[in-house]
Amino acid sequence: QVQLQQSGTELVKPASSVKISCKASGYTFTSNYMHWIRQQPGNGLEWIGWIYPGNGNTKYNQKFDGKATLTADKSSSTAYMQLSSLTSEDSAVYFCARGYPGTYWFAYWGQGTLVTVSS
Amino acid sequence: DVQMTQSPSNLAASPGESVSINCKASKSISKYLAWYQQKPGKANKLLIYSGSTLQSGTPSRFSGSGSGTDFTLTIRNLEPEDFGLYYCQQHNEYPPTFGAGTKLELK
Repeated sequence: QVQLQQSGTELVKPASSVKISCKASGYTFTSNYMHWIRQQPGNGLEWIGWIYPGNGNTKYNQKFDGKATLTADKSSSTAYMQLSSLTSEDSAVYFCARGYPGTYWFAYWGQGTLVTVSS
Repeated sequence: DVQMTQSPSNLAASPGESVSINCKASKSISKYLAWYQQKPGKANKLLIYSGSTLQSGTPSRFSGSGSGTDFTLTIRNLEPEDFGLYYCQQHNEYPPTFGAGTKLELK
């Protein structure tokens, strides 16, 4: 069955960067889009962007351009998101979610990674 | 970006009852709306996409309706496992956007 296993909780300092991972299994990693979505405390969900692991193509929500960088390692079926120049506003739970080509709905989700930015 | 407005924010009901959650888009999104369930300690679950298409595994007591700007998620004959947070999301145009959520609580 499809599984998306995300890396654990991160406590990071302001102005630093963090890289979180999402290991996929149960489907062809290179043939499906991987999306990333943010949920700030008490807030709703925001779409960050997608990566197509087959060729490394990416597309970002303009709001997160320059903040998030998406990459993927085909050999380990793992997607990554690096967040840079962190501030307290970046404290949130981050989800990876698998999408189908040509669609923007998310059939499978990771369990979420909590990132806390604090000095 | 398309703004999605969900109502109500909170909803209390008892098992066996039926409830409806509404979602309004700031512009027409045709039929392209998805609904998700979020529960603590569990992965978010896609329930419905394209307005009314049930995702594989979604119980038939869930149904979605609407088009254009107004959509409704209806849950009939509530089961104990249905209590949690529900989000709508438009998938008609970039960037996809979500509603603020509806918390369905046990009365």
